[in-house]
Amino acid sequence: SAVISQKPSRDICQRGTSLTIQCQVDSQVTMMFWYRQQPGQSLTLIATANQGSEATYESGFVIDKFPISRPNLTFSTLTVSNMSPEDSSIYLCSVRTSGSFEQFFGPGTRLTVL
Amino acid sequence: ELKVEQNPLFLSMQEGKNYTIYCNYSTTSDRLYWYRQDPGKSLESLFVLLSNGAVKQEGRLMASLDTKARLSTLHITAAVHDLSATYFCAVDGYGQNFVFGPGTRLSVLP
Repeated sequence: SAVISQKPSRDICQRGTSLTIQCQVDSQVTMMFWYRQQPGQSLTLIATANQGSEATYESGFVIDKFPISRPNLTFSTLTVSNMSPEDSSIYLCSVRTSGSFEQFFGPGTRLTVL
Repeated sequence: ELKVEQNPLFLSMQEGKNYTIYCNYSTTSDRLYWYRQDPGKSLESLFVLLSNGAVKQEGRLMASLDTKARLSTLHITAAVHDLSATYFCAVDGYGQNFVFGPGTRLSVLP
């Protein structure tokens, strides 16, 4: 398995501002993903963070709203831009290690937008 | 498009009882995962099922996979309060990333 940390763990932000969430893994991983979990809902994949290249976004998510970086095999950031109350969610980083099908999840970042 | 359904979405059961949560998915896949989420927490991996007929057990939980029926079950034996949580299944479709079911919110009452 992998140990995943996220910063911040929670934040309250004003409408129109941006927040960058960091995800750090304790070992090199092949794949990193960003998910959103709206209150009381299931998880929705935002994008796959690709090391050294642009992220691959799922339908309904765009780079201008959710820019993602992955400068190396252990670190990624997700920015939630120009936030509105509808962006209030838990944002989770997950990883898949080499040779494994399993995905492990970070502790999540609970975002509230006022 | 891969779709994943769970049944039931809400389950309230008494301690000591048995019950089964069902997970159906719409396209061919040999890989299915069960996760547990406690309120305000992240997801904890419970089971990874990688082939037809796979069965795994941990404590009071047992998961199985029937790829021909596109069905997985999570069976709870003699439920205890500590099992109260939301349980998600996720399917790893060929060439696709994980697709999660809607979750089953389980409440075990004394």
